[in-house]
Amino acid sequence: NAGVTQTPKFRVLKTGQSMTLLCAQDMNHEYMYWYRQDPGMGLRLIHYSVGEGTTAKGEVPDGYNVSRLKKQNFLLGLESAAPSQTSVYFCASSYSNREHYGYTFGSGTRLTVV
Amino acid sequence: LAKTTQPISMDSYEGQEVNITCSHNNIATNDYITWYQQFPSQGPRFIIQGYKTKVTNEVASLFIPADRKSSTLSLPRVSLSDTAVYYCLVGAHSGAGSYQLTFGKGTKLSVIP
Repeated sequence: NAGVTQTPKFRVLKTGQSMTLLCAQDMNHEYMYWYRQDPGMGLRLIHYSVGEGTTAKGEVPDGYNVSRLKKQNFLLGLESAAPSQTSVYFCASSYSNREHYGYTFGSGTRLTVV
Repeated sequence: LAKTTQPISMDSYEGQEVNITCSHNNIATNDYITWYQQFPSQGPRFIIQGYKTKVTNEVASLFIPADRKSSTLSLPRVSLSDTAVYYCLVGAHSGAGSYQLTFGKGTKLSVIP
């Protein structure tokens, strides 16, 4: 049982390039989330999804797009990367919205934009 | 969204009990209190969750007073491997009905040999 898998683990981009981060979960969770973590800032929610085909904005959505075409996958896209998007990105999933059963996080993607 | 306040850092010697207190004065009636642990270069890991009184599992205990305006995570007899950042979170529902968690900066626990 893999849990939440993020690919790639590391990436270096040049300013203006685009890329997609993939998050896959095998727990049949309904809810999925993308966070970014910067030094001294804790985790900040970028976008989230409450089910297949749905997406919603979180706290810091600008410069990112997401898609949830399949229940098990949640993609985070950067159309034109900027140095301010250098960060560690974490994907998470959860089972229910009625009670909090605990989020399961991936191991993160470390992105550097030069 | 309910805001939480916890100490930025704590130090403890190996073998001691560590208590990390979190305040959440504007917690809502339906909110649960959840604690996560994060090691360097890893994603946060769920530790424990509670609504009121006391909850205990194999890792920690969570104490919540009757007014629920604060909570205390208790780690018994810490070891070097407990060195991590600990986050206190209070759940909140967004307008879309999703159950989002807001992560603060957490408490960096350093266990000293």
